[in-house]
Amino acid sequence: AQSVTQLGSHVSVSEGALVLLRCNYSSSVPPYLFWYVQYPNQGLQLLLKYTSAATLVKGINGFEAEFKKSETSFHLTKPSAHMSDAAEYFCAVSPRLNSGYSTLTFGKGTMLLVSP
Amino acid sequence: NAGVTQTPKFRVLKTGQSMTLLCAQDMNHEYMYWYRQDPGMGLRLIHYSVGEGTTAKGEVPDGYNVSRLKKQNFLLGLESAAPSQTSVYFCATHLTGTGGAETQYFGPGTRLLVL
Repeated sequence: AQSVTQLGSHVSVSEGALVLLRCNYSSSVPPYLFWYVQYPNQGLQLLLKYTSAATLVKGINGFEAEFKKSETSFHLTKPSAHMSDAAEYFCAVSPRLNSGYSTLTFGKGTMLLVSP
Repeated sequence: NAGVTQTPKFRVLKTGQSMTLLCAQDMNHEYMYWYRQDPGMGLRLIHYSVGEGTTAKGEVPDGYNVSRLKKQNFLLGLESAAPSQTSVYFCATHLTGTGGAETQYFGPGTRLLVL
């Protein structure tokens, strides 16, 4: 079964500092990987996803993530944190299939706290 | 275009009561999902549907039932609520199956408290 591990249930940064949220996956075959964000009292929305050969994926709001097969990682970064980035971030994995669909498996989430 | 809506937004139940959560979407999506979110647990899949009239079990289906009588609606039922079902419930949808790369679109959630 596919799984993802998010290191750190809470990450605190100062406004303007680098944001790094860690995600490692377990799969014998490189899966599809996603980052979703959840702002307070809202549903989740997609930040970015890795589905093709391009290992550096750019998403919304200045976030990006790099797929590293050798490290089985898909860490999320942003060069400079804004107060509006405070939210919970979820890494998710889906196996690659030739067709059809697959269900997502989510990590436990990382709460990003941004201080002025 | 409302996207994915959930009804109700918040509900308090007593143990043993029943209720139905409604997820409605106006995007003509085939696939619909029900998740529960608990602190420190992430999202866990309860049931899902790959089209009108079809349903399947997810990771944590016990104590829940679902129905997809119309393409745009996915109902989640609790026949006899238990305190362990206190959670935030999210519905999600996507259009087609493309081998696992689909983006899911989430509703705003339903907060359920079972006393």
